[in-house]
Amino acid sequence: AQKVTQTQTSISVVEKTTVTMDCVYETRDSSYFLFWYKQTASGEIVFLIRQDSYKKENATVGHYSLNFQKPKSSIGLIITATQIEDSAVYFCAMRGDSNYQLIWGSGTKLIIKP
Amino acid sequence: EAAVTQSPRSKVAVTGGKVTLSCHQTNNHDYMYWYRQDTGHGLRLIHYSYVADSTEKGDIPDGYKASRPSQENFSLILELASLSQTAVYFCASSPDWGSSYEQYFGPGTRLTVL
Repeated sequence: AQKVTQTQTSISVVEKTTVTMDCVYETRDSSYFLFWYKQTASGEIVFLIRQDSYKKENATVGHYSLNFQKPKSSIGLIITATQIEDSAVYFCAMRGDSNYQLIWGSGTKLIIKP
Repeated sequence: EAAVTQSPRSKVAVTGGKVTLSCHQTNNHDYMYWYRQDTGHGLRLIHYSYVADSTEKGDIPDGYKASRPSQENFSLILELASLSQTAVYFCASSPDWGSSYEQYFGPGTRLTVL
């Protein structure tokens, strides 16, 4: 069975610092895709960044980057130079070739303090 | 510019009543999805569709029906609403069923069943 686990329920950091959110996944598929989404306080869900399992390079988009550790089935989200508006709930999700469904983690709430 | 819209944004329904949630997308995407989010949890897939006039069951289809009359429109129907169906419902679209394509979400509908 496929599964995505986010063990950090909440993280609080000071503005302008770097934060890392953890995500561990389970799959038997040899090829899969990993996603991070952001849900704002208003409820809006926005796609942030994606990592394809066959790529060795970590994906980077703006001040978001990923720490993909395939042997550990881990895909961490790194946000550098955090801003107040980065405060949100961050979801990790995975899709494997055998299932085609997007499997979601339970989310990590990020609080950015001034 | 919002490419995925939902209506209504909020609804209060009575137990046993019929509820219809509507979703409209202008992304020209073939795939559309209905998710349910319960407080403090991730998203769970209820139904999805990859072509007009056809719908498929997701992980938690019991108590829900779906209708896709056109590429742009996708509805979720609760024939006999129950207290346990109180949740926030999100519609999403994507150009392909999973693959490497991210999903684009609507703003959500908060449903309260009394």
